[in-house]
Amino acid sequence: DVKVTQSSRYLVKRTGEKVFLECVQDMDHENMFWYRQDPGLGLRLIYFSYDVKMKEKGDIPEGYSVSREKKERFSLILESASTNQTSMYLCASSPRFRGEQYFGPGTRLTVT
Amino acid sequence: SQQGEEDPQALSIQEGENATMNCSYKTSINNLQWYRQNSGRGLVHLILIRSNEREKHSGRLRVTLDTSKKSSSLLITASRAADTASYFCATDAILTGGGNKLTFGTGTQLKVEL
Repeated sequence: DVKVTQSSRYLVKRTGEKVFLECVQDMDHENMFWYRQDPGLGLRLIYFSYDVKMKEKGDIPEGYSVSREKKERFSLILESASTNQTSMYLCASSPRFRGEQYFGPGTRLTVT
Repeated sequence: SQQGEEDPQALSIQEGENATMNCSYKTSINNLQWYRQNSGRGLVHLILIRSNEREKHSGRLRVTLDTSKKSSSLLITASRAADTASYFCATDAILTGGGNKLTFGTGTQLKVEL
Protein backbone atom coordinates (compact mmCIF):
# COMPACT_ATOMS: atom_id res chain seq x y z
CA ASP A 1 0.00 0.00 0.00
CA VAL A 2 1.16 3.48 -0.87
CA LYS A 3 2.57 5.36 2.07
CA VAL A 4 3.85 8.85 2.73
CA THR A 5 4.81 9.62 6.31
CA GLN A 6 5.63 12.89 7.99
CA SER A 7 7.78 13.15 11.09
CA SER A 8 5.27 14.92 13.32
CA ARG A 9 1.51 15.48 13.37
CA TYR A 10 1.77 18.50 15.64
CA LEU A 11 4.72 20.76 16.29
CA VAL A 12 5.12 23.91 18.38
CA LYS A 13 8.19 26.07 17.88
CA ARG A 14 9.36 29.49 19.00
CA THR A 15 10.03 32.43 16.72
CA GLY A 16 13.57 32.33 15.37
CA GLU A 17 14.04 28.58 15.80
CA LYS A 18 15.25 26.41 12.94
CA VAL A 19 12.61 23.86 12.11
CA PHE A 20 12.95 20.61 10.17
CA LEU A 21 9.95 18.82 8.71
CA GLU A 22 10.68 15.36 7.37
CA CYS A 23 8.80 13.41 4.75
CA VAL A 24 9.42 9.83 3.69
CA GLN A 25 7.74 7.84 0.92
CA ASP A 26 8.08 4.13 0.33
CA MET A 27 6.82 4.01 -3.26
CA ASP A 28 10.08 4.76 -5.08
CA HIS A 29 8.54 7.95 -6.51
CA GLU A 30 10.75 10.40 -8.33
CA ASN A 31 8.75 13.54 -7.53
CA MET A 32 8.19 14.98 -4.08
CA PHE A 33 6.40 18.14 -3.01
CA TRP A 34 5.88 20.39 -0.01
CA TYR A 35 2.69 22.42 0.36
CA ARG A 36 1.26 24.61 3.03
CA GLN A 37 -2.47 24.85 3.61
CA ASP A 38 -4.17 27.85 5.14
CA PRO A 39 -7.89 28.58 5.56
CA GLY A 40 -9.31 30.35 2.54
CA LEU A 41 -6.10 29.98 0.55
CA GLY A 42 -6.14 26.28 -0.28
CA LEU A 43 -2.88 24.45 -0.84
CA ARG A 44 0.13 26.40 -2.03
CA LEU A 45 3.28 24.81 -3.35
CA ILE A 46 6.46 25.71 -1.48
CA TYR A 47 9.12 23.55 -3.15
CA PHE A 48 9.29 20.40 -5.19
CA SER A 49 11.93 17.94 -6.31
CA TYR A 50 11.93 15.64 -9.30
CA ASP A 51 15.13 13.83 -8.50
CA VAL A 52 17.68 13.31 -5.76
CA LYS A 53 19.58 16.53 -5.01
CA MET A 54 17.29 18.43 -7.38
CA LYS A 55 14.92 21.13 -6.14
CA GLU A 56 12.69 23.71 -7.69
CA LYS A 57 10.92 26.67 -6.14
CA GLY A 58 7.18 26.57 -6.01
CA ASP A 59 4.84 29.50 -5.61
CA ILE A 60 5.82 30.58 -2.09
CA PRO A 61 9.44 29.54 -1.36
CA GLU A 62 10.42 32.58 0.70
CA GLY A 63 11.54 31.67 4.20
CA TYR A 64 11.93 27.98 3.34
CA SER A 65 14.59 25.66 2.00
CA VAL A 66 14.58 21.94 1.19
CA SER A 67 16.90 19.00 1.06
CA ARG A 68 16.69 15.77 -0.87
CA GLU A 69 19.73 13.61 -0.24
CA LYS A 70 17.91 10.31 -0.77
CA LYS A 71 15.12 9.43 -3.15
CA GLU A 72 12.67 8.51 -0.41
CA ARG A 73 13.21 11.52 1.85
CA PHE A 74 12.37 15.18 1.31
CA SER A 75 12.95 17.67 4.09
CA LEU A 76 11.50 21.13 4.51
CA ILE A 77 13.54 23.60 6.53
CA LEU A 78 12.39 26.81 8.11
CA GLU A 79 15.66 28.64 8.68
CA SER A 80 14.22 31.07 11.23
CA ALA A 81 10.61 30.34 12.05
CA SER A 82 8.17 33.22 12.12
CA THR A 83 4.57 33.42 13.29
CA ASN A 84 3.30 33.77 9.72
CA GLN A 85 4.64 30.28 9.05
CA THR A 86 2.06 28.82 11.40
CA SER A 87 0.20 26.48 9.08
CA MET A 88 -0.58 22.92 8.05
CA TYR A 89 2.29 21.46 6.01
CA LEU A 90 1.60 18.65 3.59
CA CYS A 91 4.11 16.49 1.80
CA ALA A 92 3.27 14.56 -1.36
CA SER A 93 4.96 12.31 -3.88
CA SER A 94 4.20 11.12 -7.39
CA PRO A 95 5.73 8.86 -10.00
CA ARG A 96 7.68 10.64 -12.71
CA PHE A 97 5.13 10.55 -15.53
CA ARG A 98 1.93 10.07 -13.59
CA GLY A 99 -0.32 12.90 -12.53
CA GLU A 100 -1.81 11.84 -9.22
CA GLN A 101 -0.03 12.77 -6.02
CA TYR A 102 0.01 10.82 -2.77
CA PHE A 103 -0.13 12.86 0.39
CA GLY A 104 1.13 12.41 3.90
CA PRO A 105 -1.12 13.09 6.91
CA GLY A 106 0.23 16.62 7.41
CA THR A 107 2.10 18.45 10.15
CA ARG A 108 0.31 21.23 11.95
CA LEU A 109 3.03 23.70 12.90
CA THR A 110 2.46 26.48 15.39
CA VAL A 111 5.11 29.18 15.78
CA THR A 112 4.75 31.27 18.93
CA SER B 1 -5.11 33.80 -7.46
CA GLN B 2 -5.83 30.09 -7.48
CA GLN B 3 -5.96 28.31 -10.81
CA GLY B 4 -8.94 26.28 -9.68
CA GLU B 5 -11.92 27.83 -7.96
CA GLU B 6 -14.54 25.56 -6.48
CA ASP B 7 -18.19 26.35 -6.17
CA PRO B 8 -19.96 26.23 -3.80
CA GLN B 9 -17.62 26.87 -0.90
CA ALA B 10 -19.85 24.81 1.36
CA LEU B 11 -22.60 22.29 0.71
CA SER B 12 -24.90 20.51 3.14
CA ILE B 13 -27.10 17.64 2.01
CA GLN B 14 -28.99 14.66 3.41
CA GLU B 15 -27.66 11.14 3.17
CA GLY B 16 -28.78 9.52 -0.06
CA GLU B 17 -28.87 12.77 -2.03
CA ASN B 18 -26.45 13.63 -4.80
CA ALA B 19 -23.75 16.26 -4.32
CA THR B 20 -22.40 18.36 -7.15
CA MET B 21 -19.31 20.52 -6.92
CA ASN B 22 -17.93 22.72 -9.65
CA CYS B 23 -14.46 23.90 -10.50
CA SER B 24 -13.38 26.66 -12.86
CA TYR B 25 -9.86 27.33 -13.99
CA LYS B 26 -8.03 29.92 -16.03
CA THR B 27 -5.33 28.43 -18.23
CA SER B 28 -4.94 25.41 -20.50
CA ILE B 29 -4.46 22.15 -18.68
CA ASN B 30 -3.00 18.72 -19.24
CA ASN B 31 -5.37 17.09 -16.83
CA LEU B 32 -7.64 17.96 -13.93
CA GLN B 33 -7.81 16.02 -10.71
CA TRP B 34 -10.12 15.85 -7.73
CA TYR B 35 -8.99 15.17 -4.18
CA ARG B 36 -10.78 14.61 -0.89
CA GLN B 37 -9.54 15.76 2.51
CA ASN B 38 -11.02 14.59 5.75
CA SER B 39 -10.76 17.08 8.58
CA GLY B 40 -7.18 17.71 9.61
CA ARG B 41 -5.77 14.99 7.40
CA GLY B 42 -3.85 14.68 4.14
CA LEU B 43 -5.46 14.67 0.72
CA VAL B 44 -6.60 11.53 -1.05
CA HIS B 45 -6.64 11.32 -4.83
CA LEU B 46 -10.11 10.54 -6.19
CA ILE B 47 -10.03 10.80 -9.96
CA LEU B 48 -8.04 12.24 -12.85
CA ILE B 49 -9.57 13.37 -16.12
CA ARG B 50 -7.40 14.23 -19.10
CA SER B 51 -7.95 17.27 -21.26
CA ASN B 52 -9.17 15.12 -24.18
CA GLU B 53 -11.80 13.37 -22.03
CA ARG B 54 -15.27 14.73 -21.35
CA GLU B 55 -16.54 12.40 -18.65
CA LYS B 56 -15.15 9.82 -16.30
CA HIS B 57 -16.67 7.52 -13.70
CA SER B 58 -15.28 5.83 -10.62
CA GLY B 59 -17.75 4.06 -8.37
CA ARG B 60 -20.20 6.70 -7.12
CA LEU B 61 -18.11 9.52 -8.59
CA ARG B 62 -18.73 11.14 -11.94
CA VAL B 63 -16.47 13.87 -13.25
CA THR B 64 -17.08 16.00 -16.30
CA LEU B 65 -14.71 18.35 -18.04
CA ASP B 66 -15.55 21.16 -20.43
CA THR B 67 -12.31 22.65 -21.74
CA SER B 68 -14.14 25.27 -23.80
CA LYS B 69 -15.64 26.68 -20.60
CA LYS B 70 -12.59 25.81 -18.50
CA SER B 71 -14.75 24.06 -15.96
CA SER B 72 -15.22 20.68 -14.34
CA SER B 73 -17.81 19.15 -12.05
CA LEU B 74 -17.68 16.36 -9.52
CA LEU B 75 -20.89 14.47 -8.81
CA ILE B 76 -21.15 12.14 -5.84
CA THR B 77 -24.24 9.98 -6.10
CA ALA B 78 -26.15 8.46 -3.19
CA SER B 79 -24.04 10.31 -0.66
CA ARG B 80 -23.13 8.84 2.70
CA ALA B 81 -22.14 10.42 6.00
CA ALA B 82 -18.60 9.14 5.33
CA ASP B 83 -18.43 11.43 2.28
CA THR B 84 -18.30 14.42 4.63
CA ALA B 85 -14.99 16.09 3.73
CA SER B 86 -13.46 18.92 1.75
CA TYR B 87 -13.10 18.38 -1.97
CA PHE B 88 -10.45 20.08 -4.08
CA CYS B 89 -9.88 20.31 -7.77
CA ALA B 90 -6.32 20.60 -9.02
CA THR B 91 -4.99 21.52 -12.43
CA ASP B 92 -1.54 20.66 -13.56
CA ALA B 93 1.52 21.79 -15.44
CA ILE B 94 4.13 19.43 -16.75
CA LEU B 95 7.43 19.60 -14.89
CA THR B 96 10.70 19.80 -16.76
CA GLY B 97 11.85 16.53 -15.26
CA GLY B 98 8.54 14.72 -15.62
CA GLY B 99 5.55 14.51 -13.34
CA ASN B 100 2.97 17.18 -12.71
CA LYS B 101 2.92 20.36 -10.68
CA LEU B 102 -0.57 20.81 -9.30
CA THR B 103 -2.37 24.04 -8.54
CA PHE B 104 -5.22 23.57 -6.10
CA GLY B 105 -8.43 25.45 -5.61
CA THR B 106 -9.73 26.51 -2.22
CA GLY B 107 -12.11 23.59 -1.92
CA THR B 108 -15.76 22.77 -1.28
CA GLN B 109 -16.72 21.66 2.22
CA LEU B 110 -19.33 18.93 1.94
CA LYS B 111 -21.41 17.88 4.90
CA VAL B 112 -23.67 14.86 4.58
CA GLU B 113 -26.23 14.62 7.35
CA LEU B 114 -28.03 11.52 8.51
